[in-house]
Amino acid sequence: DSGVTQTPKHLITATGQRVTLRCSPRSGDLSVYWYQQSLDQGLQFLIQYYNGEERAKGNILERFSAQQFPDLHSELNLSSLELGDSALYFCASSGGTGGRAQYFGPGTRLLVL
Amino acid sequence: QQPVQSPQAVILREGEDAVINCSSSKALYSVHWYRQKHGEAPVFLMILLKGGEQKGHEKISASFNEKKQQSSLYLTASQLSYSGTYFCGTADNAGNMLTFGGGTRLMVKP
Repeated sequence: DSGVTQTPKHLITATGQRVTLRCSPRSGDLSVYWYQQSLDQGLQFLIQYYNGEERAKGNILERFSAQQFPDLHSELNLSSLELGDSALYFCASSGGTGGRAQYFGPGTRLLVL
Repeated sequence: QQPVQSPQAVILREGEDAVINCSSSKALYSVHWYRQKHGEAPVFLMILLKGGEQKGHEKISASFNEKKQQSSLYLTASQLSYSGTYFCGTADNAGNMLTFGGGTRLMVKP
């Protein structure tokens, strides 16, 4: 158990819908990262927040957005869902930046039908 | 740009050794190694920092050649529990945003 929690574990929805994935980092960790893992794309970095502020952006679609709240939990919002958005979404946290280990949560498996 | 891992897959017998390589075209600040079992989250193994020392964890160790922008993960006397997919993640600055390689599938047989 990494200490990172994610909800829900599974999500089934239809194309065009909007969902919200939630992540609580390890106690004391200020950085939260979101990754998408699909069979054909591997592990892709989406976005990073550090103490409430966006720190880095990766291959995140405009239909996706995220935020980190004052209590440091983070939410990833996915809208206008397409079949290709079906994937495992992981959240990871670290104590800061600059060469810190990232600890992954159990992931949310999203299936878009 | 995504780092390149080799080999893509390897099958071992218990007790055998393996080396997994990770190569990047960019200058690296750090290299992170993870193991992921099917359907589970990646689990952190170790991190190697630019200018840092070779790291070790039980019978798993790693090296980082900054000049060649390469890292290698060494698995010695492999155990059944070592089976899984190994990923290297590279960061080109201190911001810690990781770019992951395509993974190396390792299977250890009795």
